[in-house]
Amino acid sequence: DAKTTQPPSMDCAEGRAANLPCNHSTISGNEYVYWYRQIHSQGPQYIIHGLKNNETNEMASLIITEDRKSSTLILPHATLRDTAVYYCTLYNSNDYKLSFGAGTTVTVRA
Amino acid sequence: KAGVTQTPRYLIKTRGQQVTLSCSPISGHRSVSWYQQTPGQGLQFLFEYFSETQRNKGNFPGRFSGRQFSNSRSEMNVSTLELGDSALYLCASSLPQGETQYFGPGTRLLVL
Repeated sequence: DAKTTQPPSMDCAEGRAANLPCNHSTISGNEYVYWYRQIHSQGPQYIIHGLKNNETNEMASLIITEDRKSSTLILPHATLRDTAVYYCTLYNSNDYKLSFGAGTTVTVRA
Repeated sequence: KAGVTQTPRYLIKTRGQQVTLSCSPISGHRSVSWYQQTPGQGLQFLFEYFSETQRNKGNFPGRFSGRQFSNSRSEMNVSTLELGDSALYLCASSLPQGETQYFGPGTRLLVL
């Protein structure tokens, strides 16, 4: 069973912030939250990751709740090129694998 | 720095044949992981290698195997191909002490 749950799809207006939610209520202490995106069946592209604290980089911000059971990826100013499938995944540092859910198909509209 | 490269990019095989896919990690990366992506099952973990040792294997039949060489390059092999093996096979690499996996473009395998 998938360890993460995401809405199957969402639309976003170009130039606006996109907030992508993810539920991972069974996350364990040694699991990191990772976000990837995939465009047109290319290889997934790394976006951001975190363990407990909120994180920000040039692409996005990651907000993790205090109990770590959910997180939100924020794309601050969505562009048409951000249209992709976004995966919220968990990385277990004990078994070295990413566990992917079904992802959210994000469509950015002009 | 060059990214993860995978060869070939596309492949067509028939049932019963075997196939070998290759992955070259990012320079300096020593961990290589393989994933299978299908429309029905999504992205599923196949196996992970570090320093030529398999550290973990996903829930796939023994027809799926892999190996890693001393230069960190990796290959995966699928024997006795079945129609259901048609998929995008993705390779990812990471630094020795890093968790972040960087994916290659994938090899799209079609089994007829």
